[in-house]
Amino acid sequence: EAGVTQFPSHSVIEKGQTVTLRCDPISGHDNLYWYRRVMGKEIKFLLHFVKESKQDESGMPNNRFLAERTGGTYSTLKVQPAELEDSGVYFCASSQVSSSTGNTEAFFGQGTRLTVV
Amino acid sequence: AQSVAQPEDQVNVAEGNPLTVKCTYSVSGNPYLFWYVQYPNRGLQFLLKYITGDNLVKGSYGFEAEFNKSQTSFHLKKPSALVSDSALYFCAVRDREVGFQKLVFGTGTRLLVSP
Repeated sequence: EAGVTQFPSHSVIEKGQTVTLRCDPISGHDNLYWYRRVMGKEIKFLLHFVKESKQDESGMPNNRFLAERTGGTYSTLKVQPAELEDSGVYFCASSQVSSSTGNTEAFFGQGTRLTVV
Repeated sequence: AQSVAQPEDQVNVAEGNPLTVKCTYSVSGNPYLFWYVQYPNRGLQFLLKYITGDNLVKGSYGFEAEFNKSQTSFHLKKPSALVSDSALYFCAVRDREVGFQKLVFGTGTRLLVSP
């Protein structure tokens, strides 16, 4: 079974440019999450989709970030325009819908390392 | 607010010796607790989780963790370290009641096992 895949693995862009990150979750997983780790700091939650709906986007830093999940399958995270502080590793994760609790573990992709110069 | 503390940036241990990676947490309710590991150039891999029941949880690759409610800790342990255990380890918490699908991570601890 394929795991969570992310593309690209690395991206180097100039300040002011646009970048789009893609995540393909595990097939059948309705929950899809985006997280980000800035160098040396904790991994921070960005947002959570249930199918195509945004369940929680409380972690999105500002309106330069736009996440979509059309059709409830893969997701994209667009940063426009990119700033220096957006550099970091962006992780995507997916999980099955639990019957009544949140105790199912999330499976993570390998991450996209974004460098804004 | 939920938070996780991993007080050590790096833990050094010799191969064959026991290892402990520390984690303490703060949540408003009862937590679900997780450990993830990141090997070089790889994604985060799930190691183990505490949901309920026995405070000692066993996970992948011989790792285990002990949930201590009074000390709000969930330290990761292994009786005998391997060089291949060298990686970045993240502790995470999820509140059962509030925003229950969101993981809150610590800053990570780099484990270095020397031959």
